[in-house]
Amino acid sequence: NAGVTQTPKFRILKIGQSMTLQCAQDMNHNYMYWYRQDPGMGLKLIYYSVGAGITDKGEVPNGYNVSRSTTEDFPLRLELAAPSQTSVYFCASARLWNEQFFGPGTRLTVL
Amino acid sequence: SQELEQSPQSLIVQEGKNLTINCTSSKTLYGLYWYKQKYGEGLIFLMMLQKGGEEKSHEKITAKLDEKKQQSSLHITASQPSHAGIYLCGADGGEVQGAQKLVFGQGTRLTINP
Repeated sequence: NAGVTQTPKFRILKIGQSMTLQCAQDMNHNYMYWYRQDPGMGLKLIYYSVGAGITDKGEVPNGYNVSRSTTEDFPLRLELAAPSQTSVYFCASARLWNEQFFGPGTRLTVL
Repeated sequence: SQELEQSPQSLIVQEGKNLTINCTSSKTLYGLYWYKQKYGEGLIFLMMLQKGGEEKSHEKITAKLDEKKQQSSLHITASQPSHAGIYLCGADGGEVQGAQKLVFGQGTRLTINP
């Protein structure tokens, strides 16, 4: 099992550019999550999904979009990158009532 | 909305010493998770607590959830260099049963000096 994988590991964007952060899991987990972690802070939930075709907003969804067409994949889309979106992004997955497994993260800088 | 406050924010201890990290919630905890993060890496699951008064141990790490379910503590006995990292508590506010919409504390940075 590869667990939760994220690509890319690092990315630098210019203001106004768009990009998709990829996340995949091979554990057949129904639940998937996107978090962002700003320097010296805890994680904040951006979006989550309880299964294919079902997504919902978390605490900080503005400026992001998600889709969940398969159980395995949960991409995060940034449409118009802003400096405030400079952060480390973590994807996670879980079974019902169980702990979340986290990916290694994507470090994004918007200049 | 639920908020988690961790204390201390940073901790430097000598190898072999015991230490405790606290996590206090503004609301009742339906599930409390402890994770460890090595610098620049993803989170590693340590323990999950759900019942008031529950206590779990793994190797030299013990976590407790108090009876009122608004505070948890993480205790490390005889600390080792491998314990160094950032410890995060995460809480499930119970809004969506089982969906684990976690709110995290700001983290406690632990340094172990030889």
